[in-house]
Amino acid sequence: AQTVTQSQPEMSVQEAETVTLSCTYDTSENNYYLFWYKQPPSRQMILVIRQEAYKQQNATENRFSVNFQKAAKSFSLKISDSQLGDTAMYFCAFMVSGTYKYIFGTGTRLKVLA
Amino acid sequence: GAVVSQHPSWVICKSGTSVKIECRSLDFQATTMFWYRQFPKQSLMLMATSNEGSKATYEQGVEKDKFLINHASLTLSTLTVTSAHPEDSSFYICSAREVFNQPQHFGDGTRLSIL
Repeated sequence: AQTVTQSQPEMSVQEAETVTLSCTYDTSENNYYLFWYKQPPSRQMILVIRQEAYKQQNATENRFSVNFQKAAKSFSLKISDSQLGDTAMYFCAFMVSGTYKYIFGTGTRLKVLA
Repeated sequence: GAVVSQHPSWVICKSGTSVKIECRSLDFQATTMFWYRQFPKQSLMLMATSNEGSKATYEQGVEKDKFLINHASLTLSTLTVTSAHPEDSSFYICSAREVFNQPQHFGDGTRLSIL
């Protein structure tokens, strides 16, 4: 069975600073996808970034980037130049390739301070 | 692109009534839709998966007679909470996916409060 662990329940960062959210997972599968979703106070889940396990290159989306370490089963999210609008709950999710089910972590509540 | 609309966003009703929640994919055809439940400050718990034109697949521990799911078209899935009770109060979120291995796109969620 797959599991996803987010060990940081809450974090805070000063505006314009950089913060890294950690995510580790456990699986015996070789082909899978990893995602980071953001859930702001408005409650809608928004896809932040996605990583295919077969790709060695770390995914990047503007200020968001990941550090994907397949051997260590680690998938951390780095947010650069943090903005107040980044305040949200961040969920790490795992999906085996060819399936439909997401396995979510328990989330990290990030607060960006002015 | 990839917008999912969920309606209503908030509903309050009396115990014993049934409540229907709609989930629509606005700009794509969703072969698969998902229904989640989220308790305060917790992660999303998958309740069921529905494919257009077929019966939903429920996760273990989810009562299929309690939570009726219909996926009648490629753009609409509904969740009906039958004979709702206070313990059914929660935040319900739908998501939709166009094809395999594509990310799920989430609706805004529905806050259900049963008095």
